[in-house]
Amino acid sequence: EAGVAQSPRYKIIEKRQSVAFWCNPISGHATLYWYQQILGQGPKLLIQFQNNGVVDDSQLPKDRFSAERLKGVDSTLKIQPAKLEDSAVYLCASSPRGGTGVNYGYTFGSGTRLTVV
Amino acid sequence: AQSVSQHNHHVILSEAASLELGCNYSYGGTVNLFWYVQYPGQHLQLLLKYFSGDPLVKGIKGFEAEFIKSKFSFNLRKPSVQWSDTAEYFCAVNAAGNTGKLIFGQGTTLQVKP
Repeated sequence: EAGVAQSPRYKIIEKRQSVAFWCNPISGHATLYWYQQILGQGPKLLIQFQNNGVVDDSQLPKDRFSAERLKGVDSTLKIQPAKLEDSAVYLCASSPRGGTGVNYGYTFGSGTRLTVV
Repeated sequence: AQSVSQHNHHVILSEAASLELGCNYSYGGTVNLFWYVQYPGQHLQLLLKYFSGDPLVKGIKGFEAEFIKSKFSFNLRKPSVQWSDTAEYFCAVNAAGNTGKLIFGQGTTLQVKP
């Protein structure tokens, strides 16, 4: 089974620029998550999708971050404009079922490491 | 608000030593508990999980964890570590019956010396 694919692996941008990350979950997985992992901290949920609907985006800084999941498959996370404190690894994860999701297991991607200079 | 605390930020052990990593959470309701491992350059992988039943759960690679409800703890153990266990370990909590959101601790870096 192919894993969760993310691209790019690394990105360096200047502050105030925009950036987008892409995630392709495991085929058939209904639930998709974006997490932000700042160096020295554990991952923090930014947004959770169930198919193409948003379940939880309470910790997404909506003034600069946006995310979409077209047709309930791939997802894109965008930051515009970026700040220095956005430097982090952005992790995408998916799980096969709806509802709580965790009961059926998460699979994480390798992440995109963003450096804002 | 839910939170997870991992007591040790950085642990250094020699091979064959025993390991115990502490994890405490704050949440009054029913929880699902997880330990994840991240080997250098790799993605997060599930070590073990607890949903219900026997509070002593066994995971992959000889790891086990014990859920002590009265102490809000879910400590990770391994009787004898190997050099290949060098990695970062994360404890995570999910509020049962809620969304799939995981709350992670800040992680513990384990370095095993050969």
